[in-house]
Amino acid sequence: DQQVKQNSPSLSVQEGRISILNCDYTNSMFDYFLWYKKYPAEGPTFLISISSIKDKNEDGRFTVFLNKSAKHLSLHIVPSQPGDSAVYFCAASGDQTGANNLFFGTGTRLTVIP
Amino acid sequence: DAGVTQSPTHLIKTRGQHVTLRCSPISGHKSVSWYQQVLGQGPQFIFQYYEKEERGRGNFPDRFSARQFPNYSSELNVNALLLGDSALYLCASSLGGLDEQYFGPGTRLTVT
Repeated sequence: DQQVKQNSPSLSVQEGRISILNCDYTNSMFDYFLWYKKYPAEGPTFLISISSIKDKNEDGRFTVFLNKSAKHLSLHIVPSQPGDSAVYFCAASGDQTGANNLFFGTGTRLTVIP
Repeated sequence: DAGVTQSPTHLIKTRGQHVTLRCSPISGHKSVSWYQQVLGQGPQFIFQYYEKEERGRGNFPDRFSARQFPNYSSELNVNALLLGDSALYLCASSLGGLDEQYFGPGTRLTVT
């Protein structure tokens, strides 16, 4: 079963505007959430993370919001740039055995139009 | 510093064969994790090794095995290959705790 879901397979945004990527999860034991960006022929690259004790984390143009009651997180990119065009994966961790394994969503392909 | 490296970059195998994939972590990283990414899906966790011991295992059959060497590099072995094993196999390294994992470029396995 898919414990992390990204329901939008693709998103197109004009350069300079805000990109909002959404992610939902079902496992209430998840306590750490990450966003990765992936270009073709490369492995995922870590972008930003948030612990379950916070509801917002900001790093430059990237901000992640966490709504624990709704089991929802979102990534905001402001302003969007053409170089941001990539597949974005939401991931979660919180394996109670102590393993550092990540549960990934299926990804959202972001296209920033110049 | 070099990032996570994986070899080979891609390979083609026949059903029933065996395959070994290799991964070298970032220097200083003691944890290596393996993920399988099927086309159109997100990566799925297979194994984590930390200090040469298995720390976690995902929902994969016993045909999948792995090990970590004293220099923290790792091998993923898959026996009796099936067509459904065709995927991008990603290796990720981390310092060891619940921190960010750094991914290699992956090995593209095609089973015919």
